[in-house]
Amino acid sequence: EVHLVESGGGLVKPGGSLRLSCAASGFTFINAWMTWVRQAPGKGLEWLGHVKSEAYGGTTDYAAPVKGRFTISRDDSQETVYLQMNSLKTEDTAVYYCMVITGDYWGQGTLVTVSS
Amino acid sequence: DIQMTQSPSSLSASVGDRVTITCRASQDIRNDLGWYQQKPGKAPKGLIYGASSLQSGVPSRFSGSASGTEFTLTISSLQPEDFATYYCLQYNSPPRTFGQGTKVEIK
Repeated sequence: EVHLVESGGGLVKPGGSLRLSCAASGFTFINAWMTWVRQAPGKGLEWLGHVKSEAYGGTTDYAAPVKGRFTISRDDSQETVYLQMNSLKTEDTAVYYCMVITGDYWGQGTLVTVSS
Repeated sequence: DIQMTQSPSSLSASVGDRVTITCRASQDIRNDLGWYQQKPGKAPKGLIYGASSLQSGVPSRFSGSASGTEFTLTISSLQPEDFATYYCLQYNSPPRTFGQGTKVEIK
């Protein structure tokens, strides 16, 4: 059975940093392109970025609103993907999901609140 | 970047109705499109991939089609459990982009 479990969410002040983790199991992690998606309260889904599998160079792509502030990385030995978020803004308040588009795997989401 | 224009933003329908939701891509994305259903407080769930292929376990009343850059999700006979918000997602090229969502409500 596939599991994606996010952790690391919480309350952070504007300008602060936070690192989210997503632990995966039940599928071949090394082959998966791992994606982060978020959803602000009452809003739609927003694709943030992904990290490709090492077979595709392990490179990353990001959405414009987070490029330069967020970094996605992966540890294939731990089957975990990370989202490092710096220079957080109030508009980054959202539920953050890790997911795999191929296979349609989703975590349960973790809430990040950016507020003073 | 590829823009996905989804319509309508909301609709009211009755159980048994046929419902159609559309996403239009700003450029050619081949058939690199998925449809997702989301219920309040839950993670999204995939319904369709490759524009028209049903995800495993999804009822056959859901179907997807494509014509050029226009993509359609059809629910042939709306059931009570189908009241939810639906999103399209293009995964042809980064940045991937979601449509704005369609909320399907009970009439």
